[in-house]
Amino acid sequence: SAVISQKPSRDICQRGTSLTIQCQVDSQVTMMFWYRQQPGQSLTLIATANQGSEATYESGFVIDKFPISRPNLTFSTLTVSNMSPEDSSIYLCSVEGLFFGSGTQLSVL
Amino acid sequence: DQQVKQNSPSLSVQEGRISILNCDYTNSMFDYFLWYKKYPAEGPTFLISISSIKDKNEDGRFTVFLNKSAKHLSLHIVPSQPGDSAVYFCAASASAGGTSYGKLTFGQGTILTVHP
Repeated sequence: SAVISQKPSRDICQRGTSLTIQCQVDSQVTMMFWYRQQPGQSLTLIATANQGSEATYESGFVIDKFPISRPNLTFSTLTVSNMSPEDSSIYLCSVEGLFFGSGTQLSVL
Repeated sequence: DQQVKQNSPSLSVQEGRISILNCDYTNSMFDYFLWYKKYPAEGPTFLISISSIKDKNEDGRFTVFLNKSAKHLSLHIVPSQPGDSAVYFCAASASAGGTSYGKLTFGQGTILTVHP
């Protein structure tokens, strides 16, 4: 199994600012994903983080709003840009579609 | 459209009895199905999976049944324990390959409460 460290665990941010979430895995993995869980909702896939190339975004999510980096096979970041209260959610990274980080609880005021 | 549905928001059972959690799907392209357990302030924890070519998979107290013709799967927990109290998500994949289940589509979750 993979051990995933996700930071920060929670944050409270002001409208219009950006937050970068980090996901570190203890081993090299092929597939990394970013999910969002809005309050009272299910998990929704934001994008697949591709190593060495641009992320692949799902319908409804765009790179300008959720830029993703994946510089190597153990690390990825998700940035939530120009935040609004509607971005208040839990953001989770996942590896291989099997293991999940503990999540980042984001509240936007 | 909701391709994976868990129609029961909550389920309450007595310790030692069976818990049955249900999930329906609409996309015939799904070839793997997974169940996760989630505690508050934690990420989902993988429990058990099943391939679309099988109708049953068992792991200890957890058994998943798949009825492909009805596009329905269920998770049975026997016997249920108070520590099983959590939110249970079913998820489906149409892009599994190698060591990865790929992109997942999740249901809304069912809150299971097991009473001592």
